[in-house]
Amino acid sequence: EAGVAQSPRYKIIEKRQSVAFWCNPISGHATLYWYQQILGQGPKLLIQFQNNGVVDDSQLPKDRFSAERLKGVDSTLKIQPAKLEDSAVYLCASSLARGTDTQYFGPGTRLTVL
Amino acid sequence: QKEVEQDPGPLSVPEGAIVSLNCTYSNSAFQYFMWYRQYSRKGPELLMYTYSSGNKEDGRFTAQVDKSSKYISLFIRDSQPSDSATYLCAMSVPNSGNTPLVFGKGTRLSVIA
Repeated sequence: EAGVAQSPRYKIIEKRQSVAFWCNPISGHATLYWYQQILGQGPKLLIQFQNNGVVDDSQLPKDRFSAERLKGVDSTLKIQPAKLEDSAVYLCASSLARGTDTQYFGPGTRLTVL
Repeated sequence: QKEVEQDPGPLSVPEGAIVSLNCTYSNSAFQYFMWYRQYSRKGPELLMYTYSSGNKEDGRFTAQVDKSSKYISLFIRDSQPSDSATYLCAMSVPNSGNTPLVFGKGTRLSVIA
C-alpha cells in the first residue's frame, strides 16, 4: 500500500514570497491533516479535512495560509506572503475516518524562508 | 503550562540498555495516548497506541499510562542503534468530534553501538 505522498520535499524562498505544498493521501482515507513542525517542536495541527470539507482550521493563520482539498483526495497548502517564522516542516497525514483512527504521516516538506 | 510536556533530551544510551521516555499532561480529558517515532527527515510513524490507563506491550516496547498522575511512559528494552530517533508522545480527547492530536516536543534518543 502506497503511503502519503508530499511534494516538494524541500523549498527555499525569500520572505514575502508565496509557496504551495501538495499532498496525496493514502487511497480511501477520508480524513486529511496538515501539520506544522518547527525545529525542536512536536507537530501542530493547522487544518483537518473530512473528505473535501474543513473540520478544524482553528490554528490556521488565515491571513496568510490557505488550504483546499478538491474532490476529497489531493490537498494543497499555500502560504502567501511567507514570513521568517514560517520556516518549518509541513507534514501531511491521513486516516480512514475521523475519531481515533491511526494517522499516517508523509515525509514532509521542509520550508526555509530567508 | 503547556498541555503536554516532554523532556527534549537528547538522551544517549549504550546498545542493550533499557530506555525510559516520559510525558506529562494537564488535560484530564485525554483518553487516547500514542507514541510516534520520527527518524531524521521522515514523518512520524505510530509505535504504540493506548486507551485510558494501563500497560501495553509490543515486542521490545511497553507503553504505560497513569491517568491519576497524568503521566505516560514508553520503555524500550534491549535498545538497538536502529532505535535512534525522536520519540513523540501524542494524546487526544475522545468523542470531541475533531479529536485533534496534541503532541509533545519529542525526545531525541541515540543508541550507541
